Amino acid sequence: DVKVTQSSRYLVKRTGEKVFLECVQDMDHENMFWYRQDPGLGLRLIYFSYDVKMKEKGDIPEGYSVSREKKERFSLILESASTNQTSMYLCASRTGTTLFFGEGSRLTVL
Amino acid sequence: AQSVTQPDIHITVSEGASLELRCNYSYGATPYLFWYVQSPGQGLQLLLKYFSGDTLVQGIKGFEAEFKRSQSSFNLRKPSVHWSDAAEYFCAVGVSGGYNKLIFGAGTRLAVHP
Repeated sequence: DVKVTQSSRYLVKRTGEKVFLECVQDMDHENMFWYRQDPGLGLRLIYFSYDVKMKEKGDIPEGYSVSREKKERFSLILESASTNQTSMYLCASRTGTTLFFGEGSRLTVL
Repeated sequence: AQSVTQPDIHITVSEGASLELRCNYSYGATPYLFWYVQSPGQGLQLLLKYFSGDTLVQGIKGFEAEFKRSQSSFNLRKPSVHWSDAAEYFCAVGVSGGYNKLIFGAGTRLAVHP
């Protein structure tokens, strides 16, 4: 089975802190994604990566950056967290037409 | 712009009853269509998908969905709901250019009464 692992299930940070959300997949997928999930808004794509060191903006990239130094790992970075970034963050990887999701990281920014 | 609408935010059904979750999309051509399910505390899992061909597609867990071009709809159905089906269901649309930019609906939360 494909496994997408998000290292932190719950985080609480303060406004202005730098936040790293880590995601690892074990199936050698080229494409990886970060989504943000908010009630009533569904999933919105923040960034995706189609290869090591390659990235492309999604629909809501403002306030976020990403890093992909190794194929299996895709990190989401909040340079200076703000309260409006309190949300559930979902990582996914893709093979063919199917996305495989991690269990999510719930971030609260105080 | 492309969009996906799931008109029902919450649905409650009794165990054993039939289920239909609605999904409407806005896109000029035939899109790629998906249904994903998110069980409590879990990531999303693909239920089924449609690209072309037979407009009635079968998925996992006994679900099916029907693509109706004239109605721009891709509704999800199950003839008899089980308590374990309680989850949030997301419809998604893939547009031209590949599968890297799916557009997700807002989701429908399903509750199942015993």
